[in-house]
Amino acid sequence: EAQVTQNPRYLITVTGKKLTVTCSQNMNHEYMSWYRQDPGLGLRQIYYSMNVEVTDKGDVPEGYKVSRKEKRNFPLILESPSPNQTSLYFCASSSNHPNTEAFFGQGTRLTVV
Amino acid sequence: AQSVTQPDIHITVSEGASLELRCNYSYGATPYLFWYVQSPGQGLQLLLKYFSGDTLVQGIKGFEAEFKRSQSSFNLRKPSVHWSDAAEYFCAVGASTNAGKSTFGDGTTLTVKP
Repeated sequence: EAQVTQNPRYLITVTGKKLTVTCSQNMNHEYMSWYRQDPGLGLRQIYYSMNVEVTDKGDVPEGYKVSRKEKRNFPLILESPSPNQTSLYFCASSSNHPNTEAFFGQGTRLTVV
Repeated sequence: AQSVTQPDIHITVSEGASLELRCNYSYGATPYLFWYVQSPGQGLQLLLKYFSGDTLVQGIKGFEAEFKRSQSSFNLRKPSVHWSDAAEYFCAVGASTNAGKSTFGDGTTLTVKP
């Protein structure tokens, strides 16, 4: 079954404690993205990757890092989380044709206290 | 820079009534346009997309959308709403010159009255 898998689904952490949210896709997609969803703000793109070792900033990259060492994985790293990074995070993947839709993971609800 | 505006934050319709959700975009070249639906606690699912050709596109679950270049709009419609259509709907634009870059609207929450 084609899918994008994020882990964990729920995470509560403390300010400053480094964390990683994993994302994996089994569709051999070139493009992968991370979004955060906040009430009234829709989805905002954090980072995206066009292929292995190729990443670029989205609209709200501050405080986040990503890596793309393998085609199927695109982890999101928060080196020093802060409360304003409390949000619902989605990973998405798509093929390298610009008009193809993105497939989304189920989301990770992160709370930073 | 590309942008998407969904003017309606919340819409309520009666079951069986028609629906139109508005979406306006800003993009300097030919846009790739998408509508996604998000049910509570779920990820996003594609309803339909437009990238070229016929400006009226059909999607899943009985939805359709019309691309109007002169109005920079891509409104979503459904002739008869079902209670299961209650969800949040997002319009998105993809950059034809940078396939990785996507911009979403703030979303419209649809409530369906019995």
